[in-house]
Amino acid sequence: DQQVKQNSPSLSVQEGRISILNCDYTNSMFDYFLWYKKYPAEGPTFLISISSIKDKNEDGRFTVFLNKSAKHLSLHIVPSQPGDSAVYFCAADKGGSEKLVFGKGTKLTVNP
Amino acid sequence: NAGVTQTPKFQVLKTGQSMTLQCAQDMNHEYMSWYRQDPGMGLRLIHYSVGAGITDQGEVPNGYNVSRSTTEDFPLRLLSAAPSQTSVYFCASRGPDTQYFGPGTRLTVL
Repeated sequence: DQQVKQNSPSLSVQEGRISILNCDYTNSMFDYFLWYKKYPAEGPTFLISISSIKDKNEDGRFTVFLNKSAKHLSLHIVPSQPGDSAVYFCAADKGGSEKLVFGKGTKLTVNP
Repeated sequence: NAGVTQTPKFQVLKTGQSMTLQCAQDMNHEYMSWYRQDPGMGLRLIHYSVGAGITDQGEVPNGYNVSRSTTEDFPLRLLSAAPSQTSVYFCASRGPDTQYFGPGTRLTVL
């Protein structure tokens, strides 16, 4: 029973264009969502988060959108840069349980 | 401030051997956890701890033991390694807003 789903294993975009990574969840108790970026041979690093009381959070080139009714969130990267090439994990948390549930990840490749 | 450190970076074991993966953090975080990452499986929670002396099971705890005697350290023990435990292991500690991950230990069990 996968509670957090990233249905696209990979995504390829051109430098300068927008990258949109999607994530769906099934547990309506989740109230905090995070995106992590992971380079090969490194640990995941925190990118951006959003609370369920918001529908958008922005940090520079990165914006996360949350659609609670659809149980869907997305990460937008504009403009995409080759250094953004990495695996992106979506994660969800419920009520301060502190047990993050991760999706399987989407590998983003940004072509020069 | 080193963040989360893990040792070793790489390890090869034979089936049945035991070993301990070390994890330490210097951020005074109460919450620490261990994940494994396998191809196509994302990050799966093995064990976690909400403070010294308190541990609990995650999603995939079988074959692993943990203890938390200090706030800083959270070792993961493999009692009798199996090929199914070949994976990359990440330790994490959680601050107010997010989890901080260590660089990982790549374990191969032959």
